[in-house]
Amino acid sequence: AQSVAQPEDQVNVAEGNPLTVKCTYSVSGNPYLFWYVQYPNRGLQFLLKYITGDNLVKGSYGFEAEFNKSQTSFHLKKPSALVSDSALYFCAVRAPGGSQGNLIFGKGTKLSVKP
Amino acid sequence: NAGVTQTPKFQVLKTGQSMTLQCAQDMNHEYMSWYRQDPGMGLRLIHYSVGAGITDQGEVPNGYNVSRSTTEDFPLRLLSAAPSQTSVYFCASSSGGGSGGNTIYFGEGSWLTVV
Repeated sequence: AQSVAQPEDQVNVAEGNPLTVKCTYSVSGNPYLFWYVQYPNRGLQFLLKYITGDNLVKGSYGFEAEFNKSQTSFHLKKPSALVSDSALYFCAVRAPGGSQGNLIFGKGTKLSVKP
Repeated sequence: NAGVTQTPKFQVLKTGQSMTLQCAQDMNHEYMSWYRQDPGMGLRLIHYSVGAGITDQGEVPNGYNVSRSTTEDFPLRLLSAAPSQTSVYFCASSSGGGSGGNTIYFGEGSWLTVV
């Protein structure tokens, strides 16, 4: 069965420091991987995705993620955190052959960036 | 750009009442989905549609009904509301074709409380 794990419920970072939000996945075949961000009382906003090719994917708002097939991970990173990055972050996966309308989501990681 | 539009944003229902959450997209997307978001559980798929006239069940379909008479609209019906259906509901859409890595776009959410 396909699954996504976000092992940290919350990540705390000081402004200006690098941040990492972890994600591991379990699917058969080569996965399609996504990161979304949710601000309070808002919908999910697309950040970036990995389909194929370069393992380092760059996305919106200075975020990037690294696909690691051997570790089945897709960690989200940013070199210098901003207070405005504080939000709920979701990792999601779609297996090859799965319906293009559907994703399997992790439980989310709350990122808190302090001044 | 309207994108994915959901109404209402907030709703309080009494147990046993029925209601419809509306969803419309203006991107001519083939795929539309409904997810529910509960604390600590991420997003779970309720129903999805791969095109007008075609719908299927997701992970948590019980108590919900959908139809897709047009490409643009994908309403979600609660047949007899229960307190367990208190949640935040998100409608989403994505284009078809390609390898399956198409981005899914989400609406702003509908906050439903069943008392």
